[in-house]
Amino acid sequence: AQSVSQHNHHVILSEAASLELGCNYSYGGTVNLFWYVQYPGQHLQLLLKYFSGDPLVKGIKGFEAEFIKSKFSFNLRKPSVQWSDTAEYFCAVNAGNYGQNFVFGPGTRLSVLP
Amino acid sequence: DTEVTQTPKHLVMGMTNKKSLKCEQHMGHRAMYWYKQKAKKPPELMFVYSYEKLSINESVPSRFSPECPNSSLLNLHLHALQPEDSALYLCASSQVPREKLFFGSGTQLSVL
Repeated sequence: AQSVSQHNHHVILSEAASLELGCNYSYGGTVNLFWYVQYPGQHLQLLLKYFSGDPLVKGIKGFEAEFIKSKFSFNLRKPSVQWSDTAEYFCAVNAGNYGQNFVFGPGTRLSVLP
Repeated sequence: DTEVTQTPKHLVMGMTNKKSLKCEQHMGHRAMYWYKQKAKKPPELMFVYSYEKLSINESVPSRFSPECPNSSLLNLHLHALQPEDSALYLCASSQVPREKLFFGSGTQLSVL
């Protein structure tokens, strides 16, 4: 079964700092990769996804992620964070023959200081 | 309508009670999911329904019983729960498997 790991449990940044959140997965076959965000008091929202094609994926709110197949990684980046980016970020993998098995990583809490 | 609606939003129940959580979507999605989320943890998949058939059961105890009466509705029947079952229960749907998930706001369940 696939698993997903995220490098950091809690990241604290000042506004305008650059962000990179690490995500690695273990699965040898074809995968779909996602980053979800959960703002305080809100439900999960999709930030971006990778299915195929260009490994550099752009999402909403200035986020992007790069799929590096050889490293089984899908790191999330943003050049300049804002206070409103404070949230929990989840990497997720959808794999398997039928592709219904979503597995979430443990999450990274991002706190952006004003 | 791009919402997944869950009711109730909050539920308190005793260990001998029987209750049901409801989830509804009108986006024409054919895959629906139940997730369980403990505080400050990522959601954990419980069940997946695909085209109204149960396709994944992630070794969930039998005190949780899912039901998919039609393509728009998903229920989770609860019976004889334990205090450790207290959590946020999230419903999600996707147009087809492997597609973007749309999550409901969840039902916050407390088992006393």
